Amino acid sequence: DQQVKQNSPSLSVQEGRISILNCDYTNSMFDYFLWYKKYPAEGPTFLISISSIKDKNEDGRFTVFLNKSAKHLSLHIVPSQPGDSAVYFCAATPGVAGGTSYGKLTFGQGTILTVHP
Amino acid sequence: EAGVAQSPRYKIIEKRQSVAFWCNPISGHATLYWYQQILGQGPKLLIQFQNNGVVDDSQLPKDRFSAERLKGVDSTLKIQPAKLEDSAVYLCASSLEPGNRAIEYFGPGTRLTVT
Repeated sequence: DQQVKQNSPSLSVQEGRISILNCDYTNSMFDYFLWYKKYPAEGPTFLISISSIKDKNEDGRFTVFLNKSAKHLSLHIVPSQPGDSAVYFCAATPGVAGGTSYGKLTFGQGTILTVHP
Repeated sequence: EAGVAQSPRYKIIEKRQSVAFWCNPISGHATLYWYQQILGQGPKLLIQFQNNGVVDDSQLPKDRFSAERLKGVDSTLKIQPAKLEDSAVYLCASSLEPGNRAIEYFGPGTRLTVT
């Protein structure tokens, strides 16, 4: 039961262009969404998040968009840099309505982003 | 501020052997998590502690896995006996407090290979 899906295992973009990473979810109890970034041999690090009451959140070069009706979110990186090359994980967590699942993160499978110089 | 520390970083054991992993969370973080990340998948929560009490261990295979957080700081995760399918990266994370706005800070993980 994959509640959070990242259907693209990998993405390759040219430096300076836009990277768009996608994520779909099925659990309507999810009300907070996060993106984590992971370099090899390191743990995931928090990148950006969005609450279900918003449809967009921006932090520098990173913007996350949420489409609740489609149960879809995306991470835009503009402009992409070679240092952005990493695995990106989408994660979601239910609100209080999720009962005992409240606050528990469910991760997608990850997308490997490669930014070419 | 020091991050989440984990050791060992790598471990290779044979099936049916036992293994233990150690985690030291960020100072002051009351909530500690253990995740299992199998190759090609996202991290999966095994157990969550709030101080030294277990909040959620519903995904922990209790016939072989155990975890403790004595004194509410460091934690150990043990597997006994190990199976081939336990090969994974075991990630420890911590947060100031629980809740769905909590940001979890991850350690570098322990890569376990069971042969």
